[in-house]
Amino acid sequence: SQTIHQWPATLVQPVGSPLSLECTVEGTSNPNLYWYRQAAGRGLQLLFYSVGIGQISSEVPQNLSASRPQDRQFILSSKKLLLSDSGFYLCAWKVPGNTEAFFGQGTRLTVV
Amino acid sequence: LAKTTQPISMDSYEGQEVNITCSHNNIATNDYITWYQQFPSQGPRFIIQGYKTKVTNEVASLFIPADRKSSTLSLPRVSLSDTAVYYCLVGAGGTSYGKLTFGQGTILTVHP
Repeated sequence: SQTIHQWPATLVQPVGSPLSLECTVEGTSNPNLYWYRQAAGRGLQLLFYSVGIGQISSEVPQNLSASRPQDRQFILSSKKLLLSDSGFYLCAWKVPGNTEAFFGQGTRLTVV
Repeated sequence: LAKTTQPISMDSYEGQEVNITCSHNNIATNDYITWYQQFPSQGPRFIIQGYKTKVTNEVASLFIPADRKSSTLSLPRVSLSDTAVYYCLVGAGGTSYGKLTFGQGTILTVHP
């Protein structure tokens, strides 16, 4: 069966520090991969998505970046965090052509 | 992707049937309608998907009129545990379907 792993679950980082969140998927090949952010009490904001290795589409211009070094690995990064980067980050995957997506458990990031 | 409009919030009581309507006036011929449920501090979870008429599963029913410009998610006899945010998504199920965008969703609160 397919599973998605996202870590860490919680993270507290100072302003200006770097960020690296990792997401891996097991049990499937060539998935579509997604990074979302959710501010408190708000909807999900699509940050990046990828339909293949090395293919990244950015939805929101900001100080975040994403990479897909392997088929089932998706990494969200920042060189210098801002206070506004605080939020709940979710990774997701789905089979290309399908509409059902599967989400990780999320990372609660607090920038202080 | 077709834009969707949902009520921001709804209130109900245990045991009642809840209907959440989503408007998607610009739905395309090959678009499917998908609903997700999200609990606090968790990722969204797929509930149901449909193309036209009515779809029913063990969790909910989805009603889609002939013009497909709206859809209604029906939750029978809700309980306190159905308190969550519900998202309506509209998009194509073809092989080119990569982007997956969530709107603000509907906050459903079920009262005792």
